[in-house]
Amino acid sequence: QQQVKQSPQSLIVQKGGISIINCAYENTAFDYFPWYQQFPGKGPALLIAIRPDVSEKKEGRFTISFNKSAKQFSLHIMDSQPGDSATYFCAASSDNFNKFYFGSGTKLNVKP
Amino acid sequence: SAVISQKPSRDICQRGTSLTIQCQVDSQVTMMFWYRQQPGQSLTLIATANQGSEATYESGFVIDKFPISRPNLTFSTLTVSNMSPEDSSIYLCSVEGGGSTIYFGEGSWLTVV
Repeated sequence: QQQVKQSPQSLIVQKGGISIINCAYENTAFDYFPWYQQFPGKGPALLIAIRPDVSEKKEGRFTISFNKSAKQFSLHIMDSQPGDSATYFCAASSDNFNKFYFGSGTKLNVKP
Repeated sequence: SAVISQKPSRDICQRGTSLTIQCQVDSQVTMMFWYRQQPGQSLTLIATANQGSEATYESGFVIDKFPISRPNLTFSTLTVSNMSPEDSSIYLCSVEGGGSTIYFGEGSWLTVV
């Protein structure tokens, strides 16, 4: 059973637009939800993360929105830039599990 | 965040051979993890390596195929044994960081021919 479902698989956005990537999870025991950014030829890099005690977290142009009742969270990239073109992975974990479950990834292409 | 170095960064291997990937961290960490990322796919946990104990393998991964060593708190190795083309993947070392997160190395890109 896939613990974290991510959509869309790919996304094309014009420069300056808003990129939105969605994830849904099953296990209510998850209490940590990070997003990773991966450029071609590189390892995944932590971008931003949230815990379920807040509904939103913003860092620069990147915002996580979290809906605990719906068991969903999303990444919003405001004013998207060509340099944001990468693959984005959501993940979920719990301190009790000490294990991360990753979404399937979204390949973002920001057109200049 | 921790600085994680992996060697080799890239290799082309012959079918049937074995390759050992090294992971060095610039600080002491209790938990290290090995992930596999097949081309265009997500990250799959192979095993968790704690210093002083046997690695814990995820379903579908076995010690004979992916032996792991963890001799100290800053170093681990993953061996991919008796390789086949299906083992062509990126192998990623990751370590626990502060605040419940994990950080990844740059990965070791293996192509089996």
